[in-house]
Amino acid sequence: DTGVSQNPRHKITKRGQNVTFRCDPISEHNRLYWYRQTLGQGPEFLTYFQNEAQLEKSRLLSDRFSAERPKGSFSTLEIQRTEQGDSAMYLCASSHAGIETQYFGPGTRLLVL
Amino acid sequence: GESVGLHLPTLSVQEGDNSIINCAYSNSASDYFIWYKQESGKGPQFIIDIRSNMDKRQGQRVTVLLNKTVKHLSLQIAATQPGDSAVYFCAEFGVGQGAQKLVFGQGTRLTINP
Repeated sequence: DTGVSQNPRHKITKRGQNVTFRCDPISEHNRLYWYRQTLGQGPEFLTYFQNEAQLEKSRLLSDRFSAERPKGSFSTLEIQRTEQGDSAMYLCASSHAGIETQYFGPGTRLLVL
Repeated sequence: GESVGLHLPTLSVQEGDNSIINCAYSNSASDYFIWYKQESGKGPQFIIDIRSNMDKRQGQRVTVLLNKTVKHLSLQIAATQPGDSAVYFCAEFGVGQGAQKLVFGQGTRLTINP
């Protein structure tokens, strides 16, 4: 399978715990995006990388959120001190630089108890 | 499986009929648009795209129409099949600051009746 992959697919955690999600983009894509989706809504942009550089962050990305893409391939999204409001589907997408079409992974469903 | 979009606008059509899903976008300067299909528990799946210099584009069983005057997109699905049941989102590609992100519309849940 050469599509975008995300792990884990589901995560249940207690409030206050830290969680980390991983995204592996399509191998030849140098842009990687993180989105968050809550029930009844479309995905909302969080941040994106071109290669290893994080070029834009949404105001939705509070100080408790951090994303990395250290070698320009896979990316991680960490949420520290999780809150119940962080419960959502976290989606990763990738694209070629200069081509707007973004291809999404299956998402990681987070539930904070 | 989980349900995406519990309170979305809904459209029910009979199997074999054509369906039309509508979307209003927000930024008159947007120049690229995508329709995505999202099944329960899955990520959005690319269906078809269109640039602002076009008003119509056809794919396999799908057609996208763009009306820039009223900032409106539509997705037409011909001869709907049970596998077409999903939530459909339109997305516009941001321009200016934040130009690399997709901005998604509300979404429409399409249900195909046998």
